[in-house]
Amino acid sequence: EAGVAQSPRYKIIEKRQSVAFWCNPISGHATLYWYQQILGQGPKLLIQFQNNGVVDDSQLPKDRFSAERLKGVDSTLKIQPAKLEDSAVYLCASTPTSGYTGELFFGEGSRLTVL
Amino acid sequence: GEDVEQSLFLSVREGDSSVINCTYTDSSSTYLYWYKQEPGAGLQLLTYIFSNMDMKQDQRLTVLLNKKDKHLSLRIADTQTGDSAIYFCAEKVPTDKLIFGTGTRLQVFP
Repeated sequence: EAGVAQSPRYKIIEKRQSVAFWCNPISGHATLYWYQQILGQGPKLLIQFQNNGVVDDSQLPKDRFSAERLKGVDSTLKIQPAKLEDSAVYLCASTPTSGYTGELFFGEGSRLTVL
Repeated sequence: GEDVEQSLFLSVREGDSSVINCTYTDSSSTYLYWYKQEPGAGLQLLTYIFSNMDMKQDQRLTVLLNKKDKHLSLRIADTQTGDSAIYFCAEKVPTDKLIFGTGTRLQVFP
């Protein structure tokens, strides 16, 4: 079974530029998450999708971050304009459905450096 | 509230046992997890425990849960150099999201 795919693995941009990250979850997984992991910290949830609907985006900085999952499969996370403090690893994760053990399956992450 | 705390570092000698501790705040958590993260990699699930259990053993791993004190621990028996990594505790809240701790960096020396 293929895992969660993310791209690009690495991205370096200057502040005020824009960037987009892509995630393809495990086939059949209804729930998709984007987490932000700043160096030395634990992952923090940015947004949670159930199929193509948003379940939780309470910690997404909506003035600069946006995310979509139009067909309920893959997802894109965009940052525009980027700030220095956005330097982090952006982790995508997926789960089949709610109501079971709830394990999240993570991709390898996209590392963003903002200069 | 939602908050998960861990100590930052742990250093052990190869062959000894490691114990990593975690405290959480949400009493409605249904599952608690331990994830491992190696450098440059994503998070890998090590083990989990349902909130109505107080212990779970899986080969070298033992998870203890004290629900009254909201305290979770992970014991790794016969720690090896390959166990060196960052270990994250996480709780599953009713909205199905996971709240992660700050991570404990385990260093195993020969």
